[in-house]
Amino acid sequence: SQQGEEDPQALSIQEGENATMNCSYKTSINNLQWYRQNSGRGLVHLILIRSNEREKHSGRLRVTLDTSKKSSSLLITASRAADTASYFCATDTNAGGTSYGKLTFGQGTILTVHP
Amino acid sequence: EPEVTQTPSHQVTQMGQEVILRCVPISNHLYFYWYRQILGQKVEFLVSFYNNEISEKSEIFDDQFSVERPDGSNFTLKIRSTKLEDSAMYFCASSRDRGGYTFGSGTRLTVV
Repeated sequence: SQQGEEDPQALSIQEGENATMNCSYKTSINNLQWYRQNSGRGLVHLILIRSNEREKHSGRLRVTLDTSKKSSSLLITASRAADTASYFCATDTNAGGTSYGKLTFGQGTILTVHP
Repeated sequence: EPEVTQTPSHQVTQMGQEVILRCVPISNHLYFYWYRQILGQKVEFLVSFYNNEISEKSEIFDDQFSVERPDGSNFTLKIRSTKLEDSAMYFCASSRDRGGYTFGSGTRLTVV
């Protein structure tokens, strides 16, 4: 798989259920970020997890990172219809210096939450 | 909440024409980026810009592309001679440091 690949490609759940999306990557990372995109709109930054962190929470979002397996998961608890969107993971692999911002995005998971 | 503003939201241009996509990053951010997303495909990195120069660019960012920060607030992407395959959503982003990037809502470029 390529850097930053999500699965599943599409996920359909009922309101109130939890949604879990996974991301795998191939090379070492500095950090991994999750973004949300409503259809045809811009990217909204959700959460960033650094390579030395294992878990992070933000509201109804929980992100885990397993650097040994080169994988991350995004859990959205108690989903709402308004959570319907595409979710992307993006990896920052730059080692440092003045080289910033080359995020590598995955193909995304399309989440549909039915009311 | 501070925003990255992109204009126009949609631009249609003839093949071979020059286009300039405009972005106003968040005022205290120091790093600026352009990404693009061809319909149905991944978001792809184009270029990053810091301290008035390009810090990194992808293989997509060839001689047809250029970026500029003409004043203290705008950040532009110019495509000199557009091709059909340049049709995509172009996103500008900025960041204060190596953290979460704030993306604009994008400019949809359609080359006909």
